[in-house]
Parts: sequence; C-alpha cells; structure tokens
Amino acid sequence: GAVVSQHPSWVICKSGTSVKIECRSLDFQATTMFWYRQFPKQSLMLMATSNEGSKATYEQGVEKDKFLINHASLTLSTLTVTSAHPEDSSFYICSAKTRYQETQYFGPGTRLLVL
Amino acid sequence: GENVEQHPSTLSVQEGDSAVIKCTYSDSASNYFPWYKQELGKRPQLIIDIRSNVGEKKDQRIAVTLNKTAKHFSLHITETQPEDSAVYFCAASIRGTGGGNKLTFGTGTQLKVEL
Repeated sequence: GAVVSQHPSWVICKSGTSVKIECRSLDFQATTMFWYRQFPKQSLMLMATSNEGSKATYEQGVEKDKFLINHASLTLSTLTVTSAHPEDSSFYICSAKTRYQETQYFGPGTRLLVL
Repeated sequence: GENVEQHPSTLSVQEGDSAVIKCTYSDSASNYFPWYKQELGKRPQLIIDIRSNVGEKKDQRIAVTLNKTAKHFSLHITETQPEDSAVYFCAASIRGTGGGNKLTFGTGTQLKVEL
C-alpha cells in the first residue's frame, strides 16, 4: 500500500515552454501533497505544500506564479513549471500523506531538463 | 524555521560493521523524525521513524535514538551489507499551515559499504 506515482518520469523541453508534472496517490486519499526539488548530490528542498481543495502554501523564495500547483482531488496534484529556463532543470519529487498520519510517501520523481 | 544538520556527509564502512549517522534539529516543537534511504535516481524510501514520545525504536538491523533535551537523533545500522549503500536523509517534522506536517531534511549521508 501507500503508492505514489509521478508522470512523466523525465522531460526535456525548450527554454520558455511550460511543463506539467502529475503526482497521484494510487491506493490512498492524499489530503496533503508536497512538492520538492532536488539538485544533484543535494538534499530535498520543499517548494510548496498543497491541501486538497485549497491554495498551495509556498516556501520562502519559491515563486508561486512560476510554479503553479493544483490539488483538485484527493488523489491528484499537479505542478506546472511556467516559462521554464535552464536553471529550472532539476529532479522534482512529490510526496503525499493522509490527514491523520505524519508519514510522507514519495513519488519516483521527474527529471526536468530545460535546454 | 526548522534547521536540521546531519553528519557525516560521507561514511565508508566494511561489510558487517555498524554505521551511525547523527542529526540535530533546532525547533523544540518538532515531534516526528523519519529517516529515508535514497538510491541514485530513485525516490526516497522511509526506513524507520520515531516520534517525540519515544526514545528509541528498532526494526531488525536498523535502530533510531532520540534525545529531545539535546535535540538530536541518530540512525544505527548494524551488520551492514553492500545493499545498504545509498544516501540516507534524516528529517524533522513540524506542523505547518493548513495542517500539513512539513519535513525539513538534513543534508544527507552517502553510505558506502565495502566488501
């Protein structure tokens, strides 16, 4: 149980385009989903927290107009990187949890390369 | 906000030896401390966690200890095997806005188990 999927697993795009990443909880209802970014050989940095049906809460320094997060259902959250630039190239990982448990279950990640 | 420090950054042990990774946290309100194992290019996998009302927890070859007074916690792996080689992250959880527990991650420890 507690499986989280992400799609796509990797994406290459041109500078200036937008990219959408999906995060799904396959066998549980995720009241809260988190989006992280991980650069090579670095730790996971939380970008934003999203609760189903409400606006995401962004961490300091993360531009909410650039990283659009939607959590429209209890099993799906999306992250859209708008007008992507090479510096946005990274490994984006989502996690999900239920309302009453602290444990976060991570998706397999999406590797984004912006040319 | 919460700050989590993790040491060492790299750890090399001989197969069969024990490995210890240490973390300290800054916010005394943190009450949940998970440890994740991440293999190269893969998702972080929860290996053990501990809550602030417990001082020690063990699961087969893995154990975690927590000292709330000193605000530090440690991961102990006994009888290490080559498949234990990975990056290990500690984390501390503090309840964030909207009810979602935000995880603050340590910087990671690259564990290498040598034959």
